[in-house]
Amino acid sequence: AQTVTQSQPEMSVQEAETVTLSCTYDTSENNYYLFWYKQPPSRQMILVIRQEAYKQQNATENRFSVNFQKAAKSFSLKISDSQLGDTAMYFCAFMKHTEANFGNEKLTFGTGTRLTIIP
Amino acid sequence: EAQVTQNPRYLITVTGKKLTVTCSQNMNHEYMSWYRQDPGLGLRQIYYSMNVEVTDKGDVPEGYKVSRKEKRNFPLILESPSPNQTSLYFCASSLIQGQQPQHFGDGTRLSIL
Repeated sequence: AQTVTQSQPEMSVQEAETVTLSCTYDTSENNYYLFWYKQPPSRQMILVIRQEAYKQQNATENRFSVNFQKAAKSFSLKISDSQLGDTAMYFCAFMKHTEANFGNEKLTFGTGTRLTIIP
Repeated sequence: EAQVTQNPRYLITVTGKKLTVTCSQNMNHEYMSWYRQDPGLGLRQIYYSMNVEVTDKGDVPEGYKVSRKEKRNFPLILESPSPNQTSLYFCASSLIQGQQPQHFGDGTRLSIL
């Protein structure tokens, strides 16, 4: 079974600063996917970024980037030039690779980090 | 607009009164799933479905039922709700092609008194 650990329950940072959210995971799988989801006060689950384990290059999406360390099983999220709209709960999630039509494409989530951007 | 629609968004009810939370997607996705979110536990999978008439248990299925009679709909049924099922529930869907990102509904807040 896979586990995902987010060791920072809460973080806060000044607007325009950079913040890094940590995530570690445990798995015996070699092929898998990692995600960061954002949950603002509206409760929606919004995909922020996705990383395929077989890709060495770290994923980036505008101000969001990840530091993926496969050997260390670490997957941190960096938010640059933070904005007030980044205030949210952030979840790290794992999904193992399955062949099409075989297997449960379950997301295993961490417990979340509540991020507050201070004006 | 591509979306996953859950109803109701909020529900307060009493122990033992059967309820159904509906989930519908308009993206022709094969895979659908239900999660519950609890403080300090993140989201945990309740049930999932690979396609019409194909459903299976997730990690926390006790007290829940699902059905998948049509591709677009995946209702979550609580036959005899109990207070420990008070939670925030999410429905999600995706194509089964190379682990496409899952689309989530807006959530249903259930309170069982």
